[in-house]
Amino acid sequence: DIVMTQSPDSLPVSLGERATINCKSSQSIFHTSNNENSLAWFQHKPGQAPKLLISWASTREPGVPDRFSGSGSGTDFTLTISSLQPEDVAVYYCQQYYDIPPTFGQGTRLDIK
Amino acid sequence: QVQLVQSGAEVKKPGASVKVSCRTSGYSFTDHTLYWVRQAPGQRPEWMGWIGTGDGNTKYSQSLQGRVTFTRDTSASTVYMELSSLQSEDTATYYCAREFRSGWFFPDYWGQGTLVTVSS
Repeated sequence: DIVMTQSPDSLPVSLGERATINCKSSQSIFHTSNNENSLAWFQHKPGQAPKLLISWASTREPGVPDRFSGSGSGTDFTLTISSLQPEDVAVYYCQQYYDIPPTFGQGTRLDIK
Repeated sequence: QVQLVQSGAEVKKPGASVKVSCRTSGYSFTDHTLYWVRQAPGQRPEWMGWIGTGDGNTKYSQSLQGRVTFTRDTSASTVYMELSSLQSEDTATYYCAREFRSGWFFPDYWGQGTLVTVSS
């Protein structure tokens, strides 16, 4: 199975500041067939259903604020929140879908400094 | 709007079985595969498998093969997950989630989760 490793595990950030979450896969998840990376990012708030933010490493879902962006390729990926808002406090997960089984990172807990 | 609504929390004794439901609405039920994902306390989410809502075909994770069964009721737009021979390690929140698009192995909508506690 592909192992997904996120860093850091916990990230305190001041309101209005940038938050950067990293995700590394144990092997490349780049599809040469469509030149896309098979990586999604989810936001999970307590007591709520997880929410899809980004797919294909950098494609933001409709309705997701543009302060959220995804980047990276191959084995190294980043989720960036350009200006942290109070409603962004959550746990963030990356998930690869290059191979079966799909696998998740361990999560990064983002909160207000 | 798309909704996945799961059944309520369960407490089970070791060796028992549990069945969790996931009722969908807001889209054509048979157009999207449904996944099951579980998350034990302090652990990362774990993919359990999927069920094709049109044909009922299933795929299970190797670690759960033989203990887990997915079924569907197309008339009720509902899928079910049954896990048998429960052990304490099966204590987790169980989620159903809708596959974004056929063959894209990630979900776009998730249920709210069902906490299953296994305790003697």
